[in-house]
Amino acid sequence: GAVVSQHPSWVICKSGTSVKIECRSLDFQATTMFWYRQFPKQSLMLMATSNEGSKATYEQGVEKDKFLINHASLTLSTLTVTSAHPEDSSFYICSATAGPYEQYFGPGTRLTVT
Amino acid sequence: KQEVTQIPAALSVPEGENLVLNCSFTDSAIYNLQWFRQDPGKGLTSLLLIQSSQREQTSGRLNASLDKSSGRSTLYIAASQPGDSATYLCAVEETSGSRLTFGEGTQLTVNP
Repeated sequence: GAVVSQHPSWVICKSGTSVKIECRSLDFQATTMFWYRQFPKQSLMLMATSNEGSKATYEQGVEKDKFLINHASLTLSTLTVTSAHPEDSSFYICSATAGPYEQYFGPGTRLTVT
Repeated sequence: KQEVTQIPAALSVPEGENLVLNCSFTDSAIYNLQWFRQDPGKGLTSLLLIQSSQREQTSGRLNASLDKSSGRSTLYIAASQPGDSATYLCAVEETSGSRLTFGEGTQLTVNP
């Protein structure tokens, strides 16, 4: 099956700093990538949808200037959490799709902001 | 706005028991429905995907059914094992290639 990777798998950063999370589709070209966030004991909530070469579409309540998404190629999307705060600590999961097919999920990135 | 609900929120069963997890969604105009498994601190493992035109899908000890008109799906696990312990999530995709809307999940514990 298709493989999606995320890097890093786990990151700790200090409050006020920025951290970048990468999502890669390893064996297919992803026309669309999705970024989800999952707080402890809660379900996944969509943050934004990104299509290659265009600006991401953010869900209501998600600050686009805080969560910068870049989908520069068909195999890579990045999520940058700017000026991170402890409340941004969460599990971030990306998924990728090549169109009208199944979405494939990455293994997730656990962000802890101290 | 699509809402997905899963019942029960948690379930604890002895090994060997057959069990059913329930998922309901408010808007029946879906493209497909998917069941996932999530182990603590880990990502998602896709278990079964049911297209809107299908009634059920089977994989090993797992069987998922879909009743689109009533907005319901069930995941049946036969002869449960301790290794089945995890959180099970259902998610619906409303149009092809669009976002998934997830339920809150059912946390399953299978006791040896």
